[in-house]
Amino acid sequence: DQQVKQNSPSLSVQEGRISILNCDYTNSMFDYFLWYKKYPAEGPTFLISISSIKDKNEDGRFTVFLNKSAKHLSLHIVPSQPGDSAVYFCAASATDSWGKLQFGAGTQVVVTP
Amino acid sequence: GAGVSQTPSNKVTEKGKYVELRCDPISGHTALYWYRQSLGQGPEFLIYFQGTGAADDSGLPNDRFFAVRPEGSVSTLKIQRTERGDSAVYLCASSLISGEVEDTQYFGPGTRLTVL
Repeated sequence: DQQVKQNSPSLSVQEGRISILNCDYTNSMFDYFLWYKKYPAEGPTFLISISSIKDKNEDGRFTVFLNKSAKHLSLHIVPSQPGDSAVYFCAASATDSWGKLQFGAGTQVVVTP
Repeated sequence: GAGVSQTPSNKVTEKGKYVELRCDPISGHTALYWYRQSLGQGPEFLIYFQGTGAADDSGLPNDRFFAVRPEGSVSTLKIQRTERGDSAVYLCASSLISGEVEDTQYFGPGTRLTVL
């Protein structure tokens, strides 16, 4: 069963605007969440993470928001740049199955000039 | 420093053959992970090692799949009697094991396996 879901397979955004990527999860035991970015023919690259004790984490242009009650997290990219065009994966892990990341199916982001 | 490396980058084999995929983790990382990514999906967990031992192999799909890490560094994923459904990108990751739950996994470029 898919415990991490990214319901938008693609997103197109204009350069300079905000990109908002969404992720939902079903397992209430998840307590650590990550976003990875992937370019074609490369492995996923770690972007940003958030622990369940926080509701927001920011790193430069990237901010992740966590809403535990809704089992929802989002990634905001502001401002979007052409180099941000990639597939973004949401991932989650639980303390009782530490090390085992569960990934969503990914969202393809295209940033247009 | 060098990241996670995987060899070969591409492997084409015939149904029924045996294959080995190699992973070199980041120097100093004690944990190593294998994932499999099929087209249009996110990576799917297979197994992870702490040091030389498999700490969680719950993701291995069946007994045709086996992984080793004899000296706690390089790991080999072995697939026997390959089937067409095994075709995927096999990703390896490593992490430091900081003792905290927030231990980030860093991925290699993957090995694309094609079973004809």
